Amino acid sequence: AQSVTQLDSQVPVFEEAPVELRCNYSSSVSVYLFWYVQYPNQGLQLLLKYLSGSTLVKGINGFEAEFNKSQTSFHLRKPSVHISDTAEYFCAVTLTGANNLFFGTGTRLTVIP
Amino acid sequence: DTEVTQTPKHLVMGMTNKKSLKCEQHMGHRAMYWYKQKAKKPPELMFVYSYEKLSINESVPSRFSPECPNSSLLNLHLHALQPEDSALYLCASHTPGQGTEAFFGQGTRLTVV
Repeated sequence: AQSVTQLDSQVPVFEEAPVELRCNYSSSVSVYLFWYVQYPNQGLQLLLKYLSGSTLVKGINGFEAEFNKSQTSFHLRKPSVHISDTAEYFCAVTLTGANNLFFGTGTRLTVIP
Repeated sequence: DTEVTQTPKHLVMGMTNKKSLKCEQHMGHRAMYWYKQKAKKPPELMFVYSYEKLSINESVPSRFSPECPNSSLLNLHLHALQPEDSALYLCASHTPGQGTEAFFGQGTRLTVV
């Protein structure tokens, strides 16, 4: 079975500071990995995804993530956050060829002016 | 067109009412999903339709009844709901098995009174 763990439920960070949101997964087979962002009362928007190839993935809004197979991690980073980045961030995994998308419990990023 | 459209955006219904949530996509995706999301929680999978057939039902109570009239439309029929069913209901779609991301609608905020 597969699972996704987001170690931090809340991350406060000052504006223009760097941030890292952590995500670890467990699976005995190949997976695809995603990061989604959810603003209040909105649906989920894809930030970036890892399918194969280069382990460093760049996404929208200046975010990037690095796939580390040995550590089964897919941490999300941004070098300088803005107030508008305040939102809930979900890491998600799906098995290759499957329909299910499994979400982590989410990390609430709060950017402090 | 990369949108998943959900209607209505907000719905208040009594416990004896019958209502329906609607979801539409025109991206040619052949898998469509219903998720339920409670406040400060990740989305929980309810149903998956793959090629217009119900492929996953995550032990959802029968007061929720999904329907997929065609490859672009997904409905969720509601009857005799309970106050604890109040949540954000999200629809998503994607192409199965290709590692493409799921596209989410903006959700329907359901309140059962």
